[in-house]
Amino acid sequence: GIQVEQSPPDLILQEGANSTLRCNFSDSVNNLQWFHQNPWGQLINLFYIPSGTKQNGRLSATTVATERYSLLYISSSQTTDSGVYFCAVERGAGSYQLTFGKGTKLSVIP
Amino acid sequence: EAGVAQSPRYKIIEKRQSVAFWCNPISGHATLYWYQQILGQGPKLLIQFQNNGVVDDSQLPKDRFSAERLKGVDSTLKIQPAKLEDSAVYLCASSQGATQPQHFGDGTRLSIL
Repeated sequence: GIQVEQSPPDLILQEGANSTLRCNFSDSVNNLQWFHQNPWGQLINLFYIPSGTKQNGRLSATTVATERYSLLYISSSQTTDSGVYFCAVERGAGSYQLTFGKGTKLSVIP
Repeated sequence: EAGVAQSPRYKIIEKRQSVAFWCNPISGHATLYWYQQILGQGPKLLIQFQNNGVVDDSQLPKDRFSAERLKGVDSTLKIQPAKLEDSAVYLCASSQGATQPQHFGDGTRLSIL
């Protein structure tokens, strides 16, 4: 099956700092989503981004499908950004299953 | 709009007992998913429904897990009998269609003693 690798696995930031999270995938995909799982376990959909760039407030994401990677940018981080960020891909070609990476655990300290 | 609703929020049972989880998707969402998330890992798809039909259940341990979505809306996931390795959070998600963004419920945290 398709492999999804996220880096770094852990990240500690001072409040106000910027960061970039990376997601590499092993095969072409139809769909890519970024999620944030907060410390209470809620999984929130951040971006649906099979290709191109999208921005939502302090967050933005870029997917370069031809090179099989996606980046999530967090600017001016806040303590509420803490949690685990997951990248998930859908292979397509008859399979709509979302395959998740292992996540990047982000801790933003005041 | 109301989000994906799941119940119960927490469940503790002994191994070999049975348990059931319930999910009500976002209104109008045709596609429903059940995921298992073991501590420290990303969610893993167990089963996907399109309306009341199964699209993908390739990773569902069918000897002990079952799921249904009889009227194409609510869904239940059952485990019988439970094993220690079933301790996890069970997440339900829904989307308007199979290739649309998925929206998750708060999950059911299952502990097996």
